[in-house]
Amino acid sequence: DADVTQTPRNRITKTGKRIMLECSQTKGHDRMYWYRQDPGLGLRLIYYSFDVKDINKGEISDGYSVSRQAQAKFSLSLESAIPNQTALYFCATGSTGTQYFGPGTRLTVL
Amino acid sequence: QKEVEQDPGPLSVPEGAIVSLNCTYSNSAFQYFMWYRQYSRKGPELLMYTYSSGNKEDGRFTAQVDKSSKYISLFIRDSQPSDSATYLCAMSASNDYKLSFGAGTTVTVRA
Repeated sequence: DADVTQTPRNRITKTGKRIMLECSQTKGHDRMYWYRQDPGLGLRLIYYSFDVKDINKGEISDGYSVSRQAQAKFSLSLESAIPNQTALYFCATGSTGTQYFGPGTRLTVL
Repeated sequence: QKEVEQDPGPLSVPEGAIVSLNCTYSNSAFQYFMWYRQYSRKGPELLMYTYSSGNKEDGRFTAQVDKSSKYISLFIRDSQPSDSATYLCAMSASNDYKLSFGAGTTVTVRA
């Protein structure tokens, strides 16, 4: 089984809809992260969490929110999706300096 | 100016050639340096990890870090078509473990 799983893997939605992306990990790490990837821009950090009670904004948190339900679960929500949130979204988990990524969710907002 | 600069390529080489990839950075607090490999429609996969300066070798892959020049490199020897992917450099400071990524270099190894 994969160490980091993400659901859904693909999603098409309309402008204004609320969307939730879910992430689970079995590596036992405390730290979890959400990134988005856009062509030519690399990976940009949206939110990160060092434990269940510690949530921090990344460089592009506007329009997003997160919930850390347990050590192993970290979800990302788009409260009112807009077309420029169309991207590939990755969850990651890590310890010390390294991070391990999930397979990604391809989100399209029409 | 971006914190981490990486030439996006694309880079195309014949099978068996040496692939040379590099990144420069501006934040002198970076202590952890990584290279990730990402195949199309997949998540980034950790390839090499180096703490502080120096070289690290793992099979056909060699990672080098020169902190004095703020420059890191990845070399792939005897490249194979299966090495065709996007390679991302990433780095973090020792006190927060947030990763800063380069934009990625797309590599194609021609059979």
